[in-house]
Amino acid sequence: EPEVTQTPSHQVTQMGQEVILRCVPISNHLYFYWYRQILGQKVEFLVSFYNNEISEKSEIFDDQFSVERPDGSNFTLKIRSTKLEDSAMYFCASTTGAETQYFGPGTRLLVL
Amino acid sequence: SQQGEEDPQALSIQEGENATMNCSYKTSINNLQWYRQNSGRGLVHLILIRSNEREKHSGRLRVTLDTSKKSSSLLITASRAADTASYFCATDTGGYNKLIFGAGTRLAVHP
Repeated sequence: EPEVTQTPSHQVTQMGQEVILRCVPISNHLYFYWYRQILGQKVEFLVSFYNNEISEKSEIFDDQFSVERPDGSNFTLKIRSTKLEDSAMYFCASTTGAETQYFGPGTRLLVL
Repeated sequence: SQQGEEDPQALSIQEGENATMNCSYKTSINNLQWYRQNSGRGLVHLILIRSNEREKHSGRLRVTLDTSKKSSSLLITASRAADTASYFCATDTGGYNKLIFGAGTRLAVHP
């Protein structure tokens, strides 16, 4: 069964460093998302991406964040200058449209 | 309060018992989805119920949706220790279909 994959599973970085989180959505899906979950808290929407552009973003998704679909398979989230409060589990999700969103296993980011 | 709030926050039951979790939301929705998350792991999709549906079943899961009360419930029948996890409802309000998650219910099923 097709699934969303994410790499790396864990990332430790120093404050101020740039990180790139990678996702491979399900191949025939058209809508892509990033969410994050700070430890012990609810899952929060960051950004949605459709037709090679951002379709919606939350207040969390400030200028430090960017997304890209550099080729036909990868979908990346870049954090330019990480802060301590960026430590969280980051989930990628994809869907064909107004139906079930399939989530990847997540990348646990720890900013020191 | 926020879109998609579950209650109870935590639920502890014995194997074989049924577990019921509730979710309330505030705005109109296209659909409501339930997810399970084992500790520190990814989100596993359980079931989706559309706004024009009232009840759905999948194996031991039964989901109801009452759009007049803006609420949904997830029933797990004959629970097993392996059902121990956090359960989240998430609402899709349309547009580009971002999901808004509730805070979740932590379910513990004891052997």
